[in-house]
Amino acid sequence: NAGVTQTPKFQVLKTGQSMTLQCAQDMNHEYMSWYRQDPGMGLRLIHYSVGAGITDQGEVPNGYNVSRSTTEDFPLRLLSAAPSQTSVYFCASRPDRNQPQHFGDGTRLSIL
Amino acid sequence: QQQVKQSPQSLIVQKGGISIINCAYENTAFDYFPWYQQFPGKGPALLIAIRPDVSEKKEGRFTISFNKSAKQFSLHIMDSQPGDSATYFCAAKGYPPSGGYNKLIFGAGTRLAVHP
Repeated sequence: NAGVTQTPKFQVLKTGQSMTLQCAQDMNHEYMSWYRQDPGMGLRLIHYSVGAGITDQGEVPNGYNVSRSTTEDFPLRLLSAAPSQTSVYFCASRPDRNQPQHFGDGTRLSIL
Repeated sequence: QQQVKQSPQSLIVQKGGISIINCAYENTAFDYFPWYQQFPGKGPALLIAIRPDVSEKKEGRFTISFNKSAKQFSLHIMDSQPGDSATYFCAAKGYPPSGGYNKLIFGAGTRLAVHP
């Protein structure tokens, strides 16, 4: 039982490049979320999903896209990377809205 | 708009001492208040949580104190140990006044260092 797995762990991009951050969970959780963590700002919600085929925007969605074609996977796409998107990205999942979040170990992304 | 305010930003405590981290919230619709512990290179992990129908919850050396009228809650770590050195986040969850998803709102975090 791996929990929430995020890949890659580290990535460096150039401004304007695109990439996909992968997130997979093996706990059959319906709810999945993406957060970014910046110094002094805690974790901020980017996008979330309450089940396969259903996604919605969080607090800071601009510049990011998501899709949820399966229960297990919830990839986050950066369309055209900007230096302001340099951050640590965390994926989380939970069985339902009343249960606590399980977080992955994060992807550290630097955009030059 | 910072809906959950956390203080202090950093905290140094001697081994065996008490660590206290405070949070204040604005939205009275919040109904779940967790604390997360995060070690370097890892994701946050749920430490302890409380609902507003109780004023205190204790799990081992960790205690949450909750003051509903003041809209404040705090984490107390008794007999602090070097292994407790980590970043701690408070959070709050509930349906926003405008409706929608009952998302988790995080505080800015407190970096705790426990010196031996």
